[in-house]
Amino acid sequence: EIVLTQSPATLSFSPGERATLSCRASQSVSTDLAWYQQKPGQAPRLLIYDASIRGTGIPARFSGSGSGTDFTLTISSLEPEDFAVYYCQQRSNGLTFGGGTKVEIK
Amino acid sequence: QVQLVESGGGVVQPGRSLRLSCAASGFIFSNYAMHWVRQAPGKGLQWVAVISYDDSNKFYLGAVKGRFTISRDNSNNTMYLQMKSLRAEDTAIYYCARGQYGSGSFLDYWGQGSPVTVSS
Repeated sequence: EIVLTQSPATLSFSPGERATLSCRASQSVSTDLAWYQQKPGQAPRLLIYDASIRGTGIPARFSGSGSGTDFTLTISSLEPEDFAVYYCQQRSNGLTFGGGTKVEIK
Repeated sequence: QVQLVESGGGVVQPGRSLRLSCAASGFIFSNYAMHWVRQAPGKGLQWVAVISYDDSNKFYLGAVKGRFTISRDNSNNTMYLQMKSLRAEDTAIYYCARGQYGSGSFLDYWGQGSPVTVSS
């Protein structure tokens, strides 16, 4: 099983700041990686797939990069609605999620 | 617009069974793989099962293999998750999700979830 590690578990930012989130795979997943956003009480939403392609209707401030084992989700300027939990997911071998990173207001 | 609506969740005793349903609308259901994903209280996301668009392939999380069965009815645009021999550790919100067209394994639309509590 491919394990995805997201650390740290929590990041604190002020609105307007740039946020960089990390996801590391236990073995190469090529670019078979997605990012999701989940707000309290809501279902997850697909933000990025194939490591760097934005999903339908996703604002341009969200971008993804990486390949192999190291991936990054960047939010260029945090809006109030961006404070949430973010999960990475791989589909290279089965389907697994990372443990999530909570982006909280500083 | 794409809609996925889960139903069938509730409180059940350990060892008992429950069947979840996922009613789909707003897209050609028979063209898409469909998934179940769960989230235990206060925890992260855990993929549970997938069924191919034509019901020809099914795959499961190891912890539920032999206890859970995924199925679909393309004539009624509905997917199911039959859960047997339920355990306390199966307690979670169960989401149905659509596999993205093509890859099938990125989840582009999700329902709002159906809570399942396994407790005596």
